[in-house]
Amino acid sequence: GAVVSQHPSWVICKSGTSVKIECRSLDFQATTMFWYRQFPKQSLMLMATSNEGSKATYEQGVEKDKFLINHASLTLSTLTVTSAHPEDSSFYICSARDDGYTFGSGTRLTVV
Amino acid sequence: AQSVSQHNHHVILSEAASLELGCNYSYGGTVNLFWYVQYPGQHLQLLLKYFSGDPLVKGIKGFEAEFIKSKFSFNLRKPSVQWSDTAEYFCAVNPTGGFKTIFGAGTRLFVKA
Repeated sequence: GAVVSQHPSWVICKSGTSVKIECRSLDFQATTMFWYRQFPKQSLMLMATSNEGSKATYEQGVEKDKFLINHASLTLSTLTVTSAHPEDSSFYICSARDDGYTFGSGTRLTVV
Repeated sequence: AQSVSQHNHHVILSEAASLELGCNYSYGGTVNLFWYVQYPGQHLQLLLKYFSGDPLVKGIKGFEAEFIKSKFSFNLRKPSVQWSDTAEYFCAVNPTGGFKTIFGAGTRLFVKA
């Protein structure tokens, strides 16, 4: 079946630094990928839709300049959390559409 | 606005008990419907999906779900749960032809051995 690889699986960074998270579709091409954020004991919240070769579409309330998304190829989308703060600590998950929606394993970001 | 409602946030069952998790959505058009499962420490996995056709959908691990259009519901069922079914279950809805998938808040199932 379709596989989406997400890297890193966890990261700890200092406040004020930037962190890049990669999402790759391993055996299929994904013109569209999705980035979600999951707060503790809550559901997944769609942050943005990443479109290959064009700008991402952000959901209301998500800061474009804070969460930079780049979808440079049909198999790779990246999310960069810029100038991270402790409140950005969360679980970030990407997904790509094939037959259903295949999810990456997630990235746990802790900002200290 | 579109929304997905999962009625039970926590469910505790004994092994061999029957399971039904409720899911209702608000959207007037045609939809694709999904149930995902997240086992402790693991990522989301697709349990089953409905796109069209027979409204009773069978998924992996003995799960099934029934789409009742008139009730805007897509409840998940399993006749006899096992301890290994302990996980969090998410219902998700995607308007047909649209990209955005809306997730419910999730239901945490704990099965006692």
